[in-house]
Amino acid sequence: GAVVSQHPSWVICKSGTSVKIECRSLDFQATTMFWYRQFPKQSLMLMATSNEGSKATYEQGVEKDKFLINHASLTLSTLTVTSAHPEDSSFYICSARFGADRRSPLHFGNGTRLTVT
Amino acid sequence: DQQVKQNSPSLSVQEGRISILNCDYTNSMFDYFLWYKKYPAEGPTFLISISSIKDKNEDGRFTVFLNKSAKHLSLHIVPSQPGDSAVYFCAASSWAETSGSRLTFGEGTQLTVNP
Repeated sequence: GAVVSQHPSWVICKSGTSVKIECRSLDFQATTMFWYRQFPKQSLMLMATSNEGSKATYEQGVEKDKFLINHASLTLSTLTVTSAHPEDSSFYICSARFGADRRSPLHFGNGTRLTVT
Repeated sequence: DQQVKQNSPSLSVQEGRISILNCDYTNSMFDYFLWYKKYPAEGPTFLISISSIKDKNEDGRFTVFLNKSAKHLSLHIVPSQPGDSAVYFCAASSWAETSGSRLTFGEGTQLTVNP
């Protein structure tokens, strides 16, 4: 079945540094990938929609200069948290849709636990 | 504004019994609903879905019911098994010309099935 791989699974970084998270669709091509963020005991919040070959579409309230998204190929999207601060500590999850039909379920990566000290 | 709400943060049932997880939504533009299951330190996995033109969809032990007038859906698991213990997320989909298809998630319900 469709598999989405996310790396790293966890990362600890110092305040002010940048962290890159990779999301790969392993056995299918994904023209669109989605980046979510989850705080403890809260729902997954959509941060942005990553479109291959074009700019990402950010949700209201998400700083595009802070959360840089690059979708360079049909199998890879990256999220870079720039100048990270402790409040950016969270669980980040990417997902991709297998197939063009919007009703095809999203397949999720295993997430990245980011801790900023 | 939480458009998809799961009011029960946790649910505990005995093995073999029925588990019923509930979800309410406010946006009448939602026309497709999904349930995802999530284990700790893993991403959510798709479980079952239902279109707004239906009121029931069944897949093995899992059945989803949709009540459009009440803007309510529920997931029934019967019989419940210890391996079903996980967080269950309800999600709703709508289509917008500007942003395409988006999924809005509820807060999740932690299901614990006791042996």
